[in-house]
Amino acid sequence: QSALTQPPSASGSPGQSVTISCTGTSSDVGGSNYVSWYQQHPGKAPKLIISEVNKRPSGVPDRFSGSKSGNTAYLTVSGLQAEDEADYYCCSYTGTYIWMFGGGTKLTVL
Amino acid sequence: EVQLVESGGGLVQPGGSLRLSCATSGFTFSSYWMHWFRQAPGKGPVWLSRIYSDGTDTIYADSVKGRFTISRDNAKNTLYLQMDSLRADDTAVYYCVRGSYYHFDYWGQGTRVTVSS
Repeated sequence: QSALTQPPSASGSPGQSVTISCTGTSSDVGGSNYVSWYQQHPGKAPKLIISEVNKRPSGVPDRFSGSKSGNTAYLTVSGLQAEDEADYYCCSYTGTYIWMFGGGTKLTVL
Repeated sequence: EVQLVESGGGLVQPGGSLRLSCATSGFTFSSYWMHWFRQAPGKGPVWLSRIYSDGTDTIYADSVKGRFTISRDNAKNTLYLQMDSLRADDTAVYYCVRGSYYHFDYWGQGTRVTVSS
């Protein structure tokens, strides 16, 4: 199984909004409500920021939002801040106890 | 506060073995599925294995099936990963993770495994 497809990079200026895509198939993203997003700063462990397509865990700023259309999931970061500069990974449960991650998107705050 | 602390990583020769441990605290360990992930430099996390809360069921990614064994000791609040027949492409940072079907909500800080002669 191939990893989910994410753009390798994205960027925006402080205060702007950026959307990162995550494309899979009907066997994973398209067929699953269990799509999650993770933020990872250099040298740190991934941190859950979106669960079940669009749910924000406690403590995650509401600047982060998730959505899905067909086989593609989206992470939108609104009101970009310097601390949002990080790698972002999507993840989808594919059924039969298999979870797949995307290759990651490096978000740069200009 | 939930804490997951991995240990046991290091340098090992191809064909060798390592046993990773993950000491947990701050939650009822015996109530949660636990997972192992790894992440090679510059790559995304890769799910490796899951174990049920009571340890009665395990499952593995094809890449490690037959070589790695996940286990847990609920009395010690500790998760393990026995890694045998290690190869160069097993080189990565290994993470202990609490999770379910819908997300992985707590990650350890990771332990580095390097397979090289």
